[in-house]
Amino acid sequence: GAGVSQSPSNKVTEKGKDVELRCDPISGHTALYWYRQRLGQGLEFLIYFQGNSAPDKSGLPSDRFSAERTGESVSTLTIQRTQQEDSAVYLCASSLKRSGGEQFFGPGTRLTVL
Amino acid sequence: DQQVKQNSPSLSVQEGRISILNCDYTNSMFDYFLWYKKYPAEGPTFLISISSIKDKNEDGRFTVFLNKSAKHLSLHIVPSQPGDSAVYFCAGNSGGSNYKLTFGKGTLLTVNP
Repeated sequence: GAGVSQSPSNKVTEKGKDVELRCDPISGHTALYWYRQRLGQGLEFLIYFQGNSAPDKSGLPSDRFSAERTGESVSTLTIQRTQQEDSAVYLCASSLKRSGGEQFFGPGTRLTVL
Repeated sequence: DQQVKQNSPSLSVQEGRISILNCDYTNSMFDYFLWYKKYPAEGPTFLISISSIKDKNEDGRFTVFLNKSAKHLSLHIVPSQPGDSAVYFCAGNSGGSNYKLTFGKGTLLTVNP
């Protein structure tokens, strides 16, 4: 069975441009999470999707960040008008259920904003 | 405010010896803790967890100890192997938002042959 996949693996963009990052969770996993890791920092929670429930967006750092998920499948994280401080590795994870426990992470997308 | 702290950015040990990775937390609402291991260019992978009702959990060479009164946990790896060389992240979450992991900054472990 395939793990969590993310695309692209690397993205270089210019300040002010919009970017879209994609996550394919493990099939059957109802919960999906986005985190980011800036250089020298731990992972920061961004957003959580659980089935058809309203997502928990409490970790999104600004209104330039948004995410969508279609059912229990693919998710996209969009960053509008990118800034240099958005440069980070963006990690997606999925899990079987919402209760605390193991989250399976993808390899991440390294975003560099010039 | 950093709720999960890993104060040692790096640790170097000899193969066959014990590795001890430490983690402190400030959020008293945390009731579940996890350790993740991360190799370069890969996502973190789950290693071991512990619930706050326990003070120890063991899985093969890996043991996690929890001291709730001190808000401290540690991961012991014995014996350490060169393949254990990676960044180790400690994470916690609370029952109220038990999906939202709060991570430390990680400790780079290097096991020398």
